[in-house]
This record gives sequence, C-alpha cells and structure tokens, in this order.
Amino acid sequence: EAGVTQSPTHLIKTRGQQATLRCSPISGHTSVYWYQQALGLGLQFLLWYDEGEERNRGNFPPRFSGRQFPNYSSELNVNALELEDSALYLCASSKGYGYTFGSGTRLTVV
Amino acid sequence: QKEVEQDPGPLSVPEGAIVSLNCTYSNSAFQYFMWYRQYSRKGPELLMYTYSSGNKEDGRFTAQVDKSSKYISLFIRDSQPSDSATYLCAMSVLNAGGTSYGKLTFGQGTILTVHP
Repeated sequence: EAGVTQSPTHLIKTRGQQATLRCSPISGHTSVYWYQQALGLGLQFLLWYDEGEERNRGNFPPRFSGRQFPNYSSELNVNALELEDSALYLCASSKGYGYTFGSGTRLTVV
Repeated sequence: QKEVEQDPGPLSVPEGAIVSLNCTYSNSAFQYFMWYRQYSRKGPELLMYTYSSGNKEDGRFTAQVDKSSKYISLFIRDSQPSDSATYLCAMSVLNAGGTSYGKLTFGQGTILTVHP
C-alpha cells in the first residue's frame, strides 16, 4: 500500500511569491491534514479537509489556503511568501485512529 | 505557557538501556494521546495511541497516561541504535463523534540517540 505522497520534495521561492504544495493521501482515506514544522516551533496544525470541505483551520493567516479534490488529493497554497514561512510542510491522512504523515515538502523562502 | 511541554533533550543512552520520554499538558480536555517517531528528513510515524489513563504495551514500547497529573510517558525497553530519532508526543480533544477536529497538538520533540 502506497503511503502519503507529497510533491515537490523541495521548493525554493522568493519573498512575495506564491507556493503550491501537493499531497496524495493513502487510498481509501478521505481526510487530509496539513501541518507546518518550523525550526524551534514544532508541528503546528494548519488545515483539515474532509470530503472536499475545509473542516477546521489552525491559527494561520488567510494567505495559507488549500483545497481538496474529488479524488481526495489536496493542495496547499501559500500566498505573499514571507521569510518565516520557511519550514517543512507535512501532509497526513487518516481513516479513523492515528494520522499517517508523508515525508513533507521543504519550503525555503529567500 | 505551551499547551504541551516536552523536554527537547538531547538524550543519549547506551544500547540496551530503558528510555523514558515524558510530556506534560495543561488542557484537561485532551482525551486522545499519541507518540510519534520522526527520523531525519522523514515525516512522523505513529508509534502508539491511547484514550485512557493507564498503561498500553506494544512490544518494546509502553505508553503511560496519567490524566489526573496531566502527564504522559513513553518507555522503550532494550533500546537499539535504530531507535535513534526524535520522539514527539501529540494529543487531541475529541468531539461527540469521537473524532479530533483534525488538530493534534504536539510537543517540541525529544532527540534520542542510542549508541552501540
């Protein structure tokens, strides 16, 4: 069974640009979660999508947004990038107990 | 004050030692407790989860929850060099349907090194 896959692995953007990160959940999982892992801040909850709808949102500004597609894959968009957005962005999926995480996208803003 | 506190270590132990990893929390609404292991350049991997106070054992791993003290622990017996990783505690409030609103609150992680 394929795990949670994320692309790209690494992304380098300039301040002010937009970044798009993609996630494919485990087959059969309908919920997708996005987390940010920034140095010194730990894992912070960003967004939860289920059945195509945004179900919950963490304490992040509106320039962090995303969507979930009919095949349950998801993308995270970060607009007007700031230097402090540099982090590992992790996607997870679940079907009940426990979340399975992907290996993440390392976003670097320069 | 952070909702979940975890000593970042680093913790260095010899192979075969018993390792104790701990987290404290302040939100008494937390009902679902997890331990994740994260290797370098990888996403977190779920090790154990539990809903209730008491102990839960899985192989060399034992998870312990004390809700009255707001304290959770993970014990690793007969530690191996392959156990060297960052260990993250995570916890969640559950809704009436038993799901988590999507939000897990993580500790900062403890860096563990097991040397041969």
